Formats: sequence, structure tokens, C-alpha cells
Amino acid sequence: AQSVTQPDIHITVSEGASLELRCNYSYGATPYLFWYVQSPGQGLQLLLKYFSGDTLVQGIKGFEAEFKRSQSSFNLRKPSVHWSDAAEYFCAVGPGGSQGNLIFGKGTKLSVKP
Amino acid sequence: GAGVSQSPSNKVTEKGKDVELRCDPISGHTALYWYRQSLGQGLEFLIYFQGNSAPDKSGLPSDRFSAERTGGSVSTLTIQRTQQEDSAVYLCASRPSGANVLTFGAGSRLTVL
Repeated sequence: AQSVTQPDIHITVSEGASLELRCNYSYGATPYLFWYVQSPGQGLQLLLKYFSGDTLVQGIKGFEAEFKRSQSSFNLRKPSVHWSDAAEYFCAVGPGGSQGNLIFGKGTKLSVKP
Repeated sequence: GAGVSQSPSNKVTEKGKDVELRCDPISGHTALYWYRQSLGQGLEFLIYFQGNSAPDKSGLPSDRFSAERTGGSVSTLTIQRTQQEDSAVYLCASRPSGANVLTFGAGSRLTVL
């Protein structure tokens, strides 16, 4: 079955600390992987995506993610968290090409302590 | 417009009433998606339109849910005889042909009393 697992429902980090949000997927074909962020009352904004090539991808707002095929993981990282990063983060997987829908994880809510 | 537009942003209705939620995708985007976001449940795929092809309705939870897309642009999601468990945020997204990245609207929050 195709699925995305985000093991952490809620994470709290101090401002300036590093961050890693975990994502594991189960997908029958070559996956296209995404991280989206959702601020309160807003739609989802794309942070970064992985289609192929370099397994370490850079995104907006200083985020990066690393694709590890052997671990079926696509963890999101940021070296130094800012208060404005407080939001909910969603990992998603989809098919290659331009067909089909994305399967989303249940999200990880990030809180940032001053 | 520049982004995906959804209306209404908030809808409160009584159990048993029908509701319609509207999505206006980015101009020229050929694919349109509806997702449902319930508290603590992430995003649940509902339905997907791609150009003139038959829509993928595999995510619709019951026959009370339906959606149409007129003229390859605006889409309406209809929920008939609403139930309290239908309370959620309904998100619409679109993408252009040949691309994999979805652009989301801000959502329509539905509350069924």
C-alpha cells in the first residue's frame, strides 16, 4: 500500500536550534517526494521537492531534505530555526510524470520556543 | 488570478443540508484536485480532474460527495445531506500540464452543526 508516515505529531524546538522532521514512505514505483508547510489559516506552500539526481535538495526558507532510498526516508532539516518557522509540515509522495495524486502524511506541528 | 481561489472561506451549515464549495484554479492549469483536511488526519485525497479525461473519484468517501469541473476551469465540490463528520477544511489544488507540483488554495472550512 502507498503511504507516508510522519512519526512525530508535534515537535518543540528552541529558536536557533537545529531541526529535523522525519518522513518515511511506502511506494511501489519511483517516488516523487515533497515537503509542504502550512501556516495557520493558510493553504499549503511548497518547501522543496525531489524528483531525481542529487539526493540532498535545497528549498525555500533555508530548508533542505535528504532522500535515502535504502531507508525509504525523506527527512526535512534546518540548521537554525526561526520563530516564523512555527507551522505544520507535511511530507507527500506521488508518481513520476504528470499524472496522479499526491499522498500526504498526517503532518508534524512545529512549535518554536523563544 | 495569481493563485488558487476558494469560496466560501468559511461555511457553517446544519446537519442534513447540502453545501457547495467552489474552486477557481490558476489559469491554464489542466489538473485540479480536492483534498479534505480533518483535525489530526492530514490531507485525504478526494477527487482529481486531468484535462478532458474522466475524473479519478477513488477518494470520495461516500455517494453524498460529488464534484464537477466546468469548461476545464472552475470546480464545485458538492456535499449532500451533510453530516457532522463532514466538518473539515476542504482544500483545492491545481497544477499545469507536465508538472508535478501542486499549488493549493487557502481552503474552505466547513462546520456542520
